[in-house]
Amino acid sequence: RKEVEQDPGPFNVPEGATVAFNCTYSNSASQSFFWYRQDCRKEPKLLMSVYSSGNEDGRFTAQLNRASQYISLLIRDSKLSDSATYLCVVYPGGSYIPTFGRGTSLIVHP
Amino acid sequence: GAGVSQSPSNKVTEKGKDVELRCDPISGHTALYWYRQSLGQGLEFLIYFQGNSAPDKSGLPSDRFSAERTGGSVSTLTIQRTQQEDSAVYLCASSSAVNTEAFFGQGTRLTVV
Repeated sequence: RKEVEQDPGPFNVPEGATVAFNCTYSNSASQSFFWYRQDCRKEPKLLMSVYSSGNEDGRFTAQLNRASQYISLLIRDSKLSDSATYLCVVYPGGSYIPTFGRGTSLIVHP
Repeated sequence: GAGVSQSPSNKVTEKGKDVELRCDPISGHTALYWYRQSLGQGLEFLIYFQGNSAPDKSGLPSDRFSAERTGGSVSTLTIQRTQQEDSAVYLCASSSAVNTEAFFGQGTRLTVV
């Protein structure tokens, strides 16, 4: 089992839709979790941290489920500009090296 | 207030040549990472530096790859005797502390012909 797994998609949704991505991780001792966004031919950029209590930033909500070892990202009211690849990032327990998922591709169409 | 800076942005080299890629992290960031990303693929970890500790080289794919970090700041990734399979985007990231968010440079796109 890979350390961090994501559905590669693509998720093809109309503007205004709500879309959710999940990411599973294998190391139960993992401590820190993040979502990054990567546009085509660009570097990954931090979207948001994921806290145990969940967190929200505008249209974006991130949640952590330690029991089932997954994190989620919910995007409400999708915009064309949300089209990108969303990368799940986990610091496995005992490691200081962030492990990246392969990413989930989102395409928002008019 | 500059972010992570990498140079060059693009590098085309002939098979068998050596290349050096440079990364200038955010000032004060003690952790520095190198990753590479092949076309359509995920990020592959290469090497990790933390302060003055010995680097974690566990991700380097072969002994043709090496990296150093001078004075706890600028890092250079060197690839000797480049091969076509080395063609990828090489990304550098830094973070202020362990287990915190990492910030990426714009990457160096390496093409080996």
